[in-house]
Amino acid sequence: DADVTQTPRNRITKTGKRIMLECSQTKGHDRMYWYRQDPGLGLRLIYYSFDVKDINKGEISDGYSVSRQAQAKFSLSLESAIPNQTALYFCATSDSRTGGIYGYTFGSGTRLTVV
Amino acid sequence: AQTVTQSQPEMSVQEAETVTLSCTYDTSESDYYLFWYKQPPSRQMILVIRQEAYKQQNATENRFSVNFQKAAKSFSLKISDSQLGDAAMYFCAHKTGANNLFFGTGTRLTVIP
Repeated sequence: DADVTQTPRNRITKTGKRIMLECSQTKGHDRMYWYRQDPGLGLRLIYYSFDVKDINKGEISDGYSVSRQAQAKFSLSLESAIPNQTALYFCATSDSRTGGIYGYTFGSGTRLTVV
Repeated sequence: AQTVTQSQPEMSVQEAETVTLSCTYDTSESDYYLFWYKQPPSRQMILVIRQEAYKQQNATENRFSVNFQKAAKSFSLKISDSQLGDAAMYFCAHKTGANNLFFGTGTRLTVIP
């Protein structure tokens, strides 16, 4: 099994619908992240969480919300999806004991299309 | 603010040849870390190589090596003996102690048989 699992792998949804992307990890890491990848823009940070009670906005949080249900689970919600939220979404984890200096561990991504 | 610039949106290389992907960054910190990630068509983000800013020696991982020029804030990736499996998007990324991992816009590498 993958260390960081994202579901669904692909999703097509309609404008205005609420959608949740889920992420779970078996790395035992305490820090979790949501990134968005767009062509020509690279990966940009949406939200991050350093522990269950700590949620922080990233570079592009507008239109998104997150929930850290447990140390191993971090979900991303789009309350009312719009077409420009069509993108590839990545969940990542890191360990506070090393401060992420060895890089983050990424899931396989969720490709979201909003029509 | 963190910035990471990859000025080559696309690159190509002949199989078995060598290619260098460019990356520049900006930071006011003296202690930081630099990374190259590979994203093949499977979408998985794979860490290729990392460099610690306080180490002068360039990192090497098999056919992958970096040219780290701290004063110039440059961190290029050299791929030697290119293979078809090296075809992917490559992202340069930077991290300081306090900040999160910050990515460049990526370079798409094509390997020509």
